[in-house]
Order: sequence, then structure tokens, then C-alpha cells
Amino acid sequence: KQEVTQIPAALSVPEGENLVLNCSFTDSAIYNLQWFRQDPGKGLTSLLLIQSSQREQTSGRLNASLDKSSGRSTLYIAASQPGDSATYLCAAVRGATNKLIFGTGTLLAVQP
Amino acid sequence: EAQVTQNPRYLITVTGKKLTVTCSQNMNHEYMSWYRQDPGLGLRQIYYSMNVEVTDKGDVPEGYKVSRKEKRNFPLILESPSPNQTSLYFCASRRAGGPSEQYFGPGTRLTVT
Repeated sequence: KQEVTQIPAALSVPEGENLVLNCSFTDSAIYNLQWFRQDPGKGLTSLLLIQSSQREQTSGRLNASLDKSSGRSTLYIAASQPGDSATYLCAAVRGATNKLIFGTGTLLAVQP
Repeated sequence: EAQVTQNPRYLITVTGKKLTVTCSQNMNHEYMSWYRQDPGLGLRQIYYSMNVEVTDKGDVPEGYKVSRKEKRNFPLILESPSPNQTSLYFCASRRAGGPSEQYFGPGTRLTVT
């Protein structure tokens, strides 16, 4: 059974700092891995999708990596801003079905 | 604008009163899913559909029904809601044919008293 864990559960950093969020999964037979952000009271916004054959994806200040052999993914946020404050979720997709297995998230606070 | 919409956004109801939460997407996606989000448990899949008239159970299907009569719509039905179904519900969709991002609706906060 696939389990996804995110560490730390909460993180507070000063504005401008670079930071890394961690995601680990127990079953390396994933189809792809997706990172989301969730703002309070709102839905999930997709940030990056990494296919199982890829090692990383980049979008603006965000870079996500995937190491299937070690069961880990990281989300790197460069030059953090207060607007980056949100909960960040990673989700593993197993097989070609629609199912996402979510971690419980990292609550990020960027202090101005 | 490409989007997934859900209605209602907020609902307070009483035990046993049947309700339907609607979900619609305008991206012509084949795959649609329902998730619930609970504190400490994260997001869990309730049901999913791979196309019209094709649905299957997710991890927590008990107490829920779905139907997929049209490609764009995927309603979630609670025939007899109970307090343990109080939760935040999300609908999601993605295209078929290889790895693709899932798009989520804004969520429906349901309270069953």
C-alpha cells in the first residue's frame, strides 16, 4: 500500500530565503508525482507534475525533483515571498488510474 | 477559462436528508474523481470515473454514490448523510492518454448535524 509522508509538517522562514520541502513515498512503482498548493478555504492548485521517467521539473522559482529509487521528491522554492505562504501537498499516482495518494502537507509561512 | 466547478460551496444539512453535490468540468477530460479532506487524514479518494458510464470505488466509498451520464458532469450523491461525512469535498479531473495534471474544484464544505 502506497504511503506518502511530508516533512516538516510546518515551516516558517523569513522572506527571501530559499527552502526545500520533502516528500517520501513507500512504493517506487509510481506513475507520476504532483505537487500542489492549497490556500486556506480554497481548492488545490497544481504546481508541478513529474513523470516517472523524469528527474525534475521547473516552473519559475519552483523546482521539483524525483528520485524513485529512494522514494523521495523535493520541492525547492527560491527567494521565498509572503505570497508563497500556503499548505504544500505532494501526491503520488500509482498506475494509469486516476488515483492520487496524498501526503498530509507542509504548512509554509513566509514572514515579511 | 478552463475550470472545475462544484456546487454548492457550503452546505449544512441534517442526518438522513439526501443531498447531491454537483461537479462539472469544461476541459473535455475523461477522468474525474471525488476526494474528501479531513484534518489529520489528508485527502482520500471516494470514487473515480474513467469515462462516461465507467465508475469505480476509491479508498472510502461507503455512504456515497456517483454517476457519470455525461462527460462533463460527475455528481456525488449522499443518500443518507451521517455526521461522519462532515468534511471538505473536492472534485478533480484530468485528461486520459498518459501522465497529466489533475485539476481540482474549489471544494464543498459539508456539515451534517
